This record gives sequence, structure tokens and C-alpha cells, in this order.
Amino acid sequence: DIQMTQSPSSLSASVGDRVTITCQASQDIGNFLNWYQQKPGKAPKLLIYDVFNLETGVPSRFSGSGSGTHFTLTINSLQPADIGTYYCQQYDSLPLTFGGGTKVNI
Amino acid sequence: QVQLVESGGGLVRPLRSLRLSCEASGFVFSDYYMTWIRQTPGKGLEWISYISNSGNTKYYADSLKGRFTISRDNAKNSLYLHINSLRVEDTAVYYCARPPITGTPQAFDLWGQGTTVTVSP
Repeated sequence: DIQMTQSPSSLSASVGDRVTITCQASQDIGNFLNWYQQKPGKAPKLLIYDVFNLETGVPSRFSGSGSGTHFTLTINSLQPADIGTYYCQQYDSLPLTFGGGTKVNI
Repeated sequence: QVQLVESGGGLVRPLRSLRLSCEASGFVFSDYYMTWIRQTPGKGLEWISYISNSGNTKYYADSLKGRFTISRDNAKNSLYLHINSLRVEDTAVYYCARPPITGTPQAFDLWGQGTTVTVSP
């Protein structure tokens, strides 16, 4: 199975800060990576697919980059609405696997 | 309204069985592969299984194969997950999820609200 390792596991930042979350795959997954945001008590929400494509309705302050084994989710100008836990997910091979999550606080 | 609604969770004893359901509405259910994913505090998000739109193709996580069975009834717009021999470690929130496009699921843009399964003696 492909292991997805996220860092940090949690972070605290101020409104307006730039926040970076990294996701490392245990083997090359090309560009087969998605990002989700989850708020407490809710299901995950797709934010970014195929590394850098924003899902419809996702604010442009979110961006994704990377390839191979190293990927990054960036939030430019953190907003209160961005509080939650972020997960990466690979779909290069089955089983589909998720990172352990990064909890973002303000 | 495009949505998925899970049901069937609850408190169950170890070694019992349970069937979870997911009712779809607002889209052509029979066009989409469907997936079950669970979430635990300890292991996070874990992909369980997916089933093709026709129901003819099914894939399972190796660690769960044998106790979990996915199925669907397109006439009822419903997806199911049958779990046998429940274990304490199966305690989780179970989600059904749909990909944004037809074909093999790679991402999930539609999720249900989740149904909680608690396995306890």
C-alpha cells in the first residue's frame, strides 16, 4: 500500500498568514493526488484534484503543487473559514489511501 | 437535491453483522461507481471498497476483504455495505462517496453525512 505522510499534524496561524501543508508519498504517484478539507462533524470536502486543479467554488487562495512523491497545499491569506483538518489522498493505485491529516487552527 | 444519505449504523456487539445503506438522489445513480470510506480517530480516513456502476466489478482493501461486502441496487438508487464478524476496531463513521465523473473513482466530490458504527461488548 502507498503510505501518505502529512506534515505538520497540526498548526496554528493568524488570519492573513500563508499556510503550507506537505504530503509525502511512499512511492512515486505521478500527479494522482487530491486534497480535502474537513470541518468537525462533517464529511470531507474535495478542495483540489489532480495536484493543482481547484474544485468549483473553492476560493483562489487555495493552491496545490508537486509531483512524484512530494506535494504541497498552500493557503494564501488564511481566513477564519479555513479552520479544519486537511487530508491528501492518492489514487495512483489501490487501495486508495489518505494522509493522516493536518489540523489548522487560528 | 444531489445527495447521499447513509443509514444502518448503531451500537452492535462483537461478532455480529450489520448492513449499512446509502440512498442517492438528485443524480443518475446507475452512471456512477460508488465507494465506502470509513473514519476512525486512530487510523483516520480508510478506503474500504468500490463497486462499478453496473455492480459487476468490486474492489476491497486487502485488510478488510472477506468480512466486508459491497453491493448496490440501481432500481432503488441504493448502495450497501454488509459487515460480518464485527470487531471493536470496526468502530468508525462510515461514509458513502461518489466521484465527480463516471468511471473508476479517483476523487470524491459527493459524500454522505456518515453513519456511526460502534462495536462494543
